[in-house]
Amino acid sequence: GAGVSQSPSNKVTEKGKDVELRCDPISGHTALYWYRQSLGQGLEFLIYFQGNSAPDKSGLPSDRFSAERTGGSVSTLTIQRTQQEDSAVYLCASSRATRSTEAFFGQGTRLTVV
Amino acid sequence: GENVEQHPSTLSVQEGDSAVIKCTYSDSASNYFPWYKQELGKRPQLIIDIRSNVGEKKDQRIAVTLNKTAKHFSLHITETQPEDSAVYFCAARNSGGSNYKLTFGKGTLLTVNP
Repeated sequence: GAGVSQSPSNKVTEKGKDVELRCDPISGHTALYWYRQSLGQGLEFLIYFQGNSAPDKSGLPSDRFSAERTGGSVSTLTIQRTQQEDSAVYLCASSRATRSTEAFFGQGTRLTVV
Repeated sequence: GENVEQHPSTLSVQEGDSAVIKCTYSDSASNYFPWYKQELGKRPQLIIDIRSNVGEKKDQRIAVTLNKTAKHFSLHITETQPEDSAVYFCAARNSGGSNYKLTFGKGTLLTVNP
């Protein structure tokens, strides 16, 4: 596709369950970012990938959160033992790894933990 | 790491007036400063960006200024229209080396009253 694609668009899960969120970046974009946006709040940085490696994972809130990227393309954000405070929109963005290029966002995954 | 502060958090103007949003950053190595607009329920989209070798950039009713010495940059919207109502995010990125982390401010909710 032409843009960043995220799936699912919406996810409702029970507290304590694990969830996987997927991000398919724009072809050729080696930089990939995950952000979390709670209702009415800003863009909270979670993790950044350069290729398959994660130079910066400082934003992951706890060890229940993990992410991986394979083949320099698709990335998966996994949240284990979900809690109600994990409810938010999870946004993925990608860009070319050059000096000053635009990062494009996906439409996000709205996660609701009940 | 980089820290981006954004002010004000909310801004209300009358249609036709100007709006100014200000951001400061902490990492002097940051060299790319994009601004994103997020309409309700939609993904953030780039509206303008500026690189550190430029002091000002203008695109129709939107302009951005950068003061590297003071480490602050601003978004100026002139002749505001109701469709300018949205949340605006500033960001900073250090595109040197292999680290392309993109750090966002907390956003400004702009309301343009007809």
